[in-house]
Amino acid sequence: AQSVTQLDSQVPVFEEAPVELRCNYSSSVSVYLFWYVQYPNQGLQLLLKYLSGSTLVKGINGFEAEFNKSQTSFHLRKPSVHISDTAEYFCAVSDYMDTGRRALTFGSGTRLQVQP
Amino acid sequence: GAVVSQHPSWVICKSGTSVKIECRSLDFQATTMFWYRQFPKQSLMLMATSNEGSKATYEQGVEKDKFLINHASLTLSTLTVTSAHPEDSSFYICSARDVSGISNQPQHFGDGTRLSIL
Repeated sequence: AQSVTQLDSQVPVFEEAPVELRCNYSSSVSVYLFWYVQYPNQGLQLLLKYLSGSTLVKGINGFEAEFNKSQTSFHLRKPSVHISDTAEYFCAVSDYMDTGRRALTFGSGTRLQVQP
Repeated sequence: GAVVSQHPSWVICKSGTSVKIECRSLDFQATTMFWYRQFPKQSLMLMATSNEGSKATYEQGVEKDKFLINHASLTLSTLTVTSAHPEDSSFYICSARDVSGISNQPQHFGDGTRLSIL
């Protein structure tokens, strides 16, 4: 079984400032890691994913994340945020070996609030 | 890209009514679809895994007789909330995995259904 911890429930930041949303996970097996964004009353949109290879992953909308195996972290970053980035962000893991289901385990989410 | 359509997007109904939510993969086939539930300001919790042509797999604590799942084809799964009550009010989201993709293909999510029981 896996678990995901997003330490910050809310992150307020001014427009054009950098931001980091933290995500830590625990698992007894190798995992795939994902970041999703959710706008109000909508489903989830995939921002980026780490499957293997380079630990620095670039996604859509200027976001990137770095996989750190020793710290079991997958923090999301953006060097300069926009008002339109205001949304809920979810970190998720999928069991690498769970070939039957591949359901996602989500963190509790981080509300990014970009202020002018 | 892959699109998952979820219908209806919003439904309000009286207590005791049964409500059906559809989840369709529009441009790919999905042997497996997932149903999640999200309470306000909370994360998504997996309710069940829907398998085409077989019974759904429910997570612990989810009543299978309350939440009926049917996955009749490779592009359609339905969730029926039977005899819905106010405590069933929530945001329900489905997702699907492309059967033709490699094993680590991420899920594609629908836009969710806001269910409000009066």
